[in-house]
Amino acid sequence: QVQLVESGGGVVQPGGSLRLSCAASGFSFRSYGMHWVRQAPGKGLEWVAFIRYDGNNKQYADSVKGRFTTSKDNSQNTLHLQMNSLRADDTAVYYCARSGSYYNADYWGPGTLVIVSS
Amino acid sequence: DIQMTQSPTSLSASVGDRVTITCQASQDITNYLNWYQHKPGKAPKLLIYEASNLETGVPSRFSGSGFGTDFTFTISSLQPEDIATYFCQQNDNLPLTFGPGTKVEIK
Repeated sequence: QVQLVESGGGVVQPGGSLRLSCAASGFSFRSYGMHWVRQAPGKGLEWVAFIRYDGNNKQYADSVKGRFTTSKDNSQNTLHLQMNSLRADDTAVYYCARSGSYYNADYWGPGTLVIVSS
Repeated sequence: DIQMTQSPTSLSASVGDRVTITCQASQDITNYLNWYQHKPGKAPKLLIYEASNLETGVPSRFSGSGFGTDFTFTISSLQPEDIATYFCQQNDNLPLTFGPGTKVEIK
C-alpha cells in the first residue's frame, strides 16, 4: 500500500535552515509528482510546493518562494524540502502528499513538526 | 488564488445522525473538489475526489455533491469512528487551497 513518511523536523532558530525528507513506498515514485503542505498551530492547511514526477517542474507558494527548495530523488524514492531563512511563521506540521490526477493530493504522510524559535 | 470557505466550523451530532458540510469556492472550479478526513497526529485521508467520487475502500455512508462553486459533503449515518476534522480542497489549479475545516464531534 502507498506509504509516505516525513522526517527531519525539529527546533531551529530564526534565520536557520532545515531539510525535510519524505520516504515513499508502495507505488512507482518516479511516475508521480509530489506536494508539500503545512499546517501552523491552530491554523488551516497551506500548500507549500509541488514538484513534477521527473523533478523538472517546481512550483512554490509565494510565502516560501526564494527560501524553500524541493527536490525528488527517484533512485531513492525520497522527496526533500530544503528550508532556508526560516521565520517564526514557518512553524508548522509539514506533510508530503502524492499528486494524482490534476494535482489531486491523494495520499499523505503523518507529518513532521518544525518549530522556528529562539 | 482560489479561496475556499467551509461551514460549519464545528458540529456536534448523535450516532446515526445525518451530517452535512458545505464548501464554497471563490470561482468556478468545475468538479475539482476533494474532501478529506483528518484525525489528530495522522495523515489526512482522501474520502471524496472530483466532488462526488468515493475513494476506494471508503464507506458508502460518505458522499459528496456539487459543481462549479458550491459543494456538499454528507455522512449519512454518523459513526463514533467518524470523529475528525473534515476539510475541502480545490485542485483546479495551483496553489492548492483548502477550506478551514469542520470539526465533527459526537453529542
